[in-house]
Amino acid sequence: DQQVKQNSPSLSVQEGRISILNCDYTNSMFDYFLWYKKYPAEGPTFLISISSIKDKNEDGRFTVFLNKSAKHLSLHIVPSQPGDSAVYFCAAMSGYSTLTFGKGTMLLVSP
Amino acid sequence: NAGVTQTPKFRILKIGQSMTLQCTQDMNHNYMYWYRQDPGMGLKLIYYSVGAGITDKGEVPNGYNVSRSTTEDFPLRLELAAPSQTSVYFCASSYWDTDGNTIYFGEGSWLTVV
Repeated sequence: DQQVKQNSPSLSVQEGRISILNCDYTNSMFDYFLWYKKYPAEGPTFLISISSIKDKNEDGRFTVFLNKSAKHLSLHIVPSQPGDSAVYFCAAMSGYSTLTFGKGTMLLVSP
Repeated sequence: NAGVTQTPKFRILKIGQSMTLQCTQDMNHNYMYWYRQDPGMGLKLIYYSVGAGITDKGEVPNGYNVSRSTTEDFPLRLELAAPSQTSVYFCASSYWDTDGNTIYFGEGSWLTVV
């Protein structure tokens, strides 16, 4: 039973446009959400996070939105750059539990 | 800053062989983790530790063992390698602050069992 779902395996966007990566979760106890970015042959790197007490968190070109009623979060990248091409993992946790990861979405930003 | 360092980067094992993946972190994090990632899948937790001397099973612990004798080190042991253990392994560490828990990953170890 997948508690964190990233239903789009891949996404293609043109440089300069907005990239929107989506994530759904089923466990209503999750209260902290993170996005990780992963390049080939490298470990995942932390990108941005959001606590369940917020509905938006922004860091430069990256914004994460949380809709608790829909159990949905999204990562917006504006403007998208070719260097953003990577696999993006959504992850969630509750309290002091460990992280549960989604399967990832591969983002390709073309020049 | 070294962060989380894991070795080896690549290894080919024969079925039934044993090996240890080494992991060390220099950030004084209490929490450490071992994940595996299979093609097209997310990261699955094998074992984790909340501090020296304390370890616990994650989602997929079978076939693995861990120990945590120091804060810095968290080795992962494969006793009898099986083809199903062919995967990419990531060690990670984390700290808790007022915002939550941010996990930092090593660069990964590619293991093939033949």
